[in-house]
Amino acid sequence: NAGVTQTPKFQVLKTGQSMTLQCAQDMNHEYMSWYRQDPGMGLRLIHYSVGAGITDQGEVPNGYNVSRSTTEDFPLRLLSAAPSQTSVYFCASSRTGGAGSGANVLTFGAGSRLTVL
Amino acid sequence: SQQGEEDPQALSIQEGENATMNCSYKTSINNLQWYRQNSGRGLVHLILIRSNEREKHSGRLRVTLDTSKKSSSLLITASRAADTASYFCATDAPGRGGKLIFGQGTELSVKP
Repeated sequence: NAGVTQTPKFQVLKTGQSMTLQCAQDMNHEYMSWYRQDPGMGLRLIHYSVGAGITDQGEVPNGYNVSRSTTEDFPLRLLSAAPSQTSVYFCASSRTGGAGSGANVLTFGAGSRLTVL
Repeated sequence: SQQGEEDPQALSIQEGENATMNCSYKTSINNLQWYRQNSGRGLVHLILIRSNEREKHSGRLRVTLDTSKKSSSLLITASRAADTASYFCATDAPGRGGKLIFGQGTELSVKP
């Protein structure tokens, strides 16, 4: 049981390049989310999904796209990387999520460290 | 904007001492959770307390919640060097569709 798997663990991009951070979970979790973690800022929610085919924006969605074609996968796309997107990105999932469906206890991946030059 | 704010930002104690971290939040909540993050790793869920609960225990962890003051505290008793980590509170609020909003964290260092 792998839990939440993120790839790659490390990535260096040049400004303007695009890339996709992969996230997969094998726990049949409905809810998946992406956070970024910056020094002194804690974790900030980028996008989230309450099920396949359903996504919504978090606190800091600009510059990022997501899709949820399957229950297992929730990739995060950077369309045109900027130095301000240098950060550590965490994918997290939970069995429940969404209004009225119970407490949202998250299982996190190990993180992807992105540097944009 | 951050829902939870934690203090202190950093805490250094000796092994065997108790560590207390505080979290304040701005709006009403469904529940409040605490997570731990070891250096370079993902966050791990520690404990959840619902809005109608005042205190909860799990092993050496004790969490309190005061909804009138919109604050929570996490107490780690008899701390060990292995407790060295960052600790984050996260809130789930009504109308937010289950989204968790995290605080900035408290960095705990336990010296042997």
